[in-house]
Amino acid sequence: GIQVEQSPPDLILQEGANSTLRCNFSDSVNNLQWFHQNPWGQLINLFYIPSGTKQNGRLSATTVATERYSLLYISSSQTTDSGVYFCAVEGNSGNTPLVFGKGTRLSVIA
Amino acid sequence: GAGVSQSPRYKVAKRGQDVALRCDPISGHVSLFWYQQALGQGPEFLTYFQNEAQLDKSGLPSDRFFAERPEGSVSTLKIQRTQQEDSAVYLCASSLEGFGTQYFGPGTRLLVL
Repeated sequence: GIQVEQSPPDLILQEGANSTLRCNFSDSVNNLQWFHQNPWGQLINLFYIPSGTKQNGRLSATTVATERYSLLYISSSQTTDSGVYFCAVEGNSGNTPLVFGKGTRLSVIA
Repeated sequence: GAGVSQSPRYKVAKRGQDVALRCDPISGHVSLFWYQQALGQGPEFLTYFQNEAQLDKSGLPSDRFFAERPEGSVSTLKIQRTQQEDSAVYLCASSLEGFGTQYFGPGTRLLVL
């Protein structure tokens, strides 16, 4: 099945810093989503982005489907950005479930 | 409702007990998914419903796991004769149709002693 790799696995930032999280996937995809799992375990949708670029406030994401990667940018990080960021993809060989990466654990310190 | 809800939020079971976990999807969402998330890992797919039909149960780890969605809305994940390795967070997600954007509930944390 499709493989999803995220990097870095852990990241510590000073408040106000910028960061880039990467997601590599092993095959063509129909769907790619970025999620933020907060310290209480809730998975929050950030982007549905199988291709192209989207922005939402301090967050933006870019997926280059032909090169099989996606990037999540966090600018001017805040302590509330702490948590685990997951990339999840759905392969394009029919109805297939979301496959998640292992996540990037982000800690933003004041 | 405003989002996906799950109950109970926490469940402690003795090994060998049966448990039932409930998921209320977003109203009008056709598709419903169950995932299992072990500590420190990403969620892993268990099963998928479109309306009341269970279209994919390839992720269920054993025949002790059973899911249903009899009226195409609320779903129940049942685990029979729980084992310690079943301890995890069980997440439910729904989407408007097919495999579009999935919205997740808060999860049920199951601890089997």
